[in-house]
Amino acid sequence: GAVVSQHPSWVICKSGTSVKIECRSLDFQATTMFWYRQFPKQSLMLMATSNEGSKATYEQGVEKDKFLINHASLTLSTLTVTSAHPEDSSFYICSALRPGPADTQYFGPGTRLTVL
Amino acid sequence: AQSVTQLGSHVSVSEGALVLLRCNYSSSVPPYLFWYVQYPNQGLQLLLKYTSAATLVKGINGFEAEFKKSETSFHLTKPSAHMSDAAEYFCAVSEGGANNLFFGTGTRLTVIP
Repeated sequence: GAVVSQHPSWVICKSGTSVKIECRSLDFQATTMFWYRQFPKQSLMLMATSNEGSKATYEQGVEKDKFLINHASLTLSTLTVTSAHPEDSSFYICSALRPGPADTQYFGPGTRLTVL
Repeated sequence: AQSVTQLGSHVSVSEGALVLLRCNYSSSVPPYLFWYVQYPNQGLQLLLKYTSAATLVKGINGFEAEFKKSETSFHLTKPSAHMSDAAEYFCAVSEGGANNLFFGTGTRLTVIP
């Protein structure tokens, strides 16, 4: 299977600071990556679709100015949570779309963000 | 519009017993269907996927799922549960490729020794 990594695996920050999360596809090139948010004991909710070399597409209700996404290369997408607040505390998971006859999303291990 | 319903947020089975996790979907076009497993504090791992080929799909770790169009179902099964199968399982549907996955709410599987 394909490998997708995320860094950091967990982060604790103070309210008002910004946090950057990296998502890398290690063994394939991904023109499309996705960012999800998962609250405790709930399903994944798609936040945005990240396309290499272009602006991300955000889902309804997701603040694009708060959740900045950059997909500067075919193997790296970053999510920056700006001016984080306690309600932003969550588990953030990225995935990378591996193209082929049957496209498949491969998921990273997730990043747990805690905002104090 | 697409949607996924996973019946039963919690399922408990004895070690060695049959595992059956239910998933029903709604889609306006022939769907792609996926099952993912999530272990605590980890991301999702693909178990198997249906992409309009064979209706019985075999995945990793002994799991399989059958696509039944008449029932709009894609239930996940495993003949004999192992302790290591304890995890959260998510069913997902996509209308064309894997670009827009819509996840169900998940089923937590507990395996009793």
